[in-house]
Formats: sequence, C-alpha cells, structure tokens
Amino acid sequence: SYVLTQPPSVSVAPGKTARITCGGNNIGSKSVHWYQQKPGQAPVLVIYYDSDRPSGIPERFSGSNSGNTATLTISRVEAGDEADYYCQVWDSSSDPVVFGGGTKLTVL
Amino acid sequence: QVQLVQSGAEVKKPGASVKVSCKASGYTFTSYDINWVRQATGQGLEWMGWMNPNSGNTGYAQKFQGRVTMTRNTSISTAYMELSSLRSEDTAVYYCAREEHRGVAAFFGDWGQGTLVTVSS
Repeated sequence: SYVLTQPPSVSVAPGKTARITCGGNNIGSKSVHWYQQKPGQAPVLVIYYDSDRPSGIPERFSGSNSGNTATLTISRVEAGDEADYYCQVWDSSSDPVVFGGGTKLTVL
Repeated sequence: QVQLVQSGAEVKKPGASVKVSCKASGYTFTSYDINWVRQATGQGLEWMGWMNPNSGNTGYAQKFQGRVTMTRNTSISTAYMELSSLRSEDTAVYYCAREEHRGVAAFFGDWGQGTLVTVSS
C-alpha cells in the first residue's frame, strides 16, 4: 500500500514561514489534501487538490506538489496555527484513502 | 450549512460490538459518500472505509474487513458504523466524514465531531 511520510514536528517563530512536507513515491502524480487538527477537535480541511483553499481558510495557507514531495506552507505564522497537520491522498490500491503520520506544528 | 452530528461516547467490554451513528443535514444525504476515520489517543488518522448512502455499497480497509459494517437509514439521513469483536486497541475517537472529489481523488471537507469509544474490561 502507498505510504506517506511526514516529519513528526516542525517549529517556527511567530511571523515566520512554516513548511510541512509530505513524502511519497511519485506523489507529484497524485492529488494531495491537507488537514489541520487542534487538540480535542475534528480535522479541518485547509488545502485540497495540492493548492486549493476552502472558503474561510486564510491565504496564508498554500500548498505545492512535485516529484516525491508535497508541501504545506503557512506564511506569517500565528499562535493559532499551532496544531497537528495531516496530508492525505487517494490511491488506487486496495485501501484507497491514505493519511500521512501527521506533523505537530509548534509556534515558538 | 453541512453538519454531521455523531452519537455519544461509548464504553464497551472486550469482545462486544459498538454502533456509532452520524446524522447528516444541510445537503442531500444520498449524494455524497460517507467515510469513517478513527484516531487512537495521541496517534494519527486511520481510514476505516466508505459507504455510498444511495446504493448502500461499501468498501472497507483491509485491516477491518470482517469486523466492520457500514450501513445507513436514508429516511433519517443517518449513517452507521458498527465494529465487532472489540479489543483494547480499538479504543479511539471515531469520525464520520463527507467525501468530496473532482474526478477520482477524494477529500473530506466536512467531519463529524467524533465519538469516543473506550474498550475496557
């Protein structure tokens, strides 16, 4: 089955840019979606189809996908961005929905 | 607006079954597949399977084949996920999520609030 690899943690100072990666074999050929999850809450979609933003998600959130790495970029990071972030793809294997292991974003 | 409201927390003994409900509102229930995702405490998201509310067709993750059943009642716009032969490792928060997609690749724009299932003797 397809495997997505995320760094367990990323730290960033307020106002700086955070980049969270999601690695997978030729992931650039797939569509990648990103979710934000704060403690005790359900996940929230922040990026879909590599770089589209749902309504209500700040423009500070952006995404890219190429080769073997997809990236979620959060510009001008705020304290409220501190959360776990998960990437997700749809794969044609027997288990079509695949999530990355998640990355905890810490705002210093 | 789209809402998915799940049933309350459950405590079950090992070997028992649990059935979690997910009531949909704000859209046509039969037009979007419902998926179930679980999350053990401190762990990541784990996909369990999908159900088409219109046809009742389902697809389950290999890990849960034979133990999970996803059903629906279209008259009350409610999806259900039943997990049997519970063990301690099934202790987790269970989420329902509405599937959306352009083409093949699916994503989840709306989620239920989660249901904590605790398996303990």
